[in-house]
This record gives sequence, structure tokens and C-alpha cells, in this order.
Amino acid sequence: GENVEQHPSTLSVQEGDSAVIKCTYSDSASNYFPWYKQELGKRPQLIIDIRSNVGEKKDQRIAVTLNKTAKHFSLHITETQPEDSAVYFCAVSSSNTGKLIFGQGTTLQVKP
Amino acid sequence: GAGVSQSPSNKVTEKGKDVELRCDPISGHTALYWYRQSLGQGLEFLIYFQGNSAPDKSGLPSDRFSAERTGGSVSTLTIQRTQQEDSAVYLCASRGSAANTEAFFGQGTRLTVV
Repeated sequence: GENVEQHPSTLSVQEGDSAVIKCTYSDSASNYFPWYKQELGKRPQLIIDIRSNVGEKKDQRIAVTLNKTAKHFSLHITETQPEDSAVYFCAVSSSNTGKLIFGQGTTLQVKP
Repeated sequence: GAGVSQSPSNKVTEKGKDVELRCDPISGHTALYWYRQSLGQGLEFLIYFQGNSAPDKSGLPSDRFSAERTGGSVSTLTIQRTQQEDSAVYLCASRGSAANTEAFFGQGTRLTVV
């Protein structure tokens, strides 16, 4: 079945620095790659997603890159702020099955 | 409704009892997912419903866990003979028929087995 590996499990950066979280997946049929942010005690919420027909997508301070050949994708957050502190989850899905599988999560701490 | 709704928000049960958790997806969403999130852990896939297709039950951890989706809308996750290791937050998510669209989560049910 589909397997998603996410690294690192924890990440601590100074305010203003960049943060990068990486995910790899196993199913080559995967074609949808969302990223979710979960604040403490809250539900996960989508922050950005990318489909397999593009290699990069940017939305203000966040961007996602996708390498389908290598089966990995990454989340980039620039100019980090304390309110970026949360747990971030990558996920993969394919049109074949619609199943949505998540990585293990990365706890990001942005120090003021 | 406006979003995915789960009930109850919190449930405390005695070991060995059965529990039922409910999920009301967004109206018109054909796909519905259940996940389990243990304290400080990730989103463990449990089961996935898509329209009238047979559900993907590959994530259910044991035969004590089952789920139904009636009329393509409301879903119920049932845990029989609960154990302490079942304590977790159970999250439900729904999305439209296209697999490459956003999934929306409910607020979760926090289950505590004592």
C-alpha cells in the first residue's frame, strides 16, 4: 500500500529564518500532494496543495516543490513567524483510489 | 451544514464497553475518511468511503473496529470492547468526488478509555 515518510519530525528555527519539510512516497500513481497545518488542539487545515502536472507552487511565504521522478515533495516556509509554530502534515492521494494518506508530521517551533 | 461535524466532542468510557462516534460530512461530499491521532502522533488512516463503492478498511487496527456510512452521508465508527490503547482523538474528513481536491476535517472526538 501507499507509504509516506516525512522528515524531520521536529524542527526549530529562529524567527525570520526559512523552514523546509520533506516527504517521500511510494505509489507512483499518486497525483495530489496537500500540506496541512494543525495548531495545538485544533483540526488540521489545508495550507497549500500541488498536483502532479506542476513542479512548484507558491502562495506568499509558503511554497511546495514536487519531484515526481524521485517521488518526493517539500514544503518551504520563508520569513518564519511565531504563528507558524504548529504541526505540519504532508499527504498523498491518487485519482485511482482517492485514498488520502498522511506523513507522520513535523513539529515546527519558531523562536522569537 | 457549513463544515464537517463530529459528535460527541469528548467521550470517556470504561474498558470493555462499546462506543459509537459520529461524523456528519459536508453536504454533497462523496468521500469520507476516518483517522486516529494518538497524543502527539500523526494521522493514522482507518477507513475510507467513496460514494457507493465498497469501503477501504485496510487501516482498521483490529476486528473490534468497524464503520458504516448510511445513505452516503452520515458515518458511524464503532469500537467494541474498548481498550486503554484505543484512547486517542478520532478525526473525520470529507471531500468532493474529485480525488485531487481539499479534504475538510471535523473537530474530532477525544476518546478516553479508563
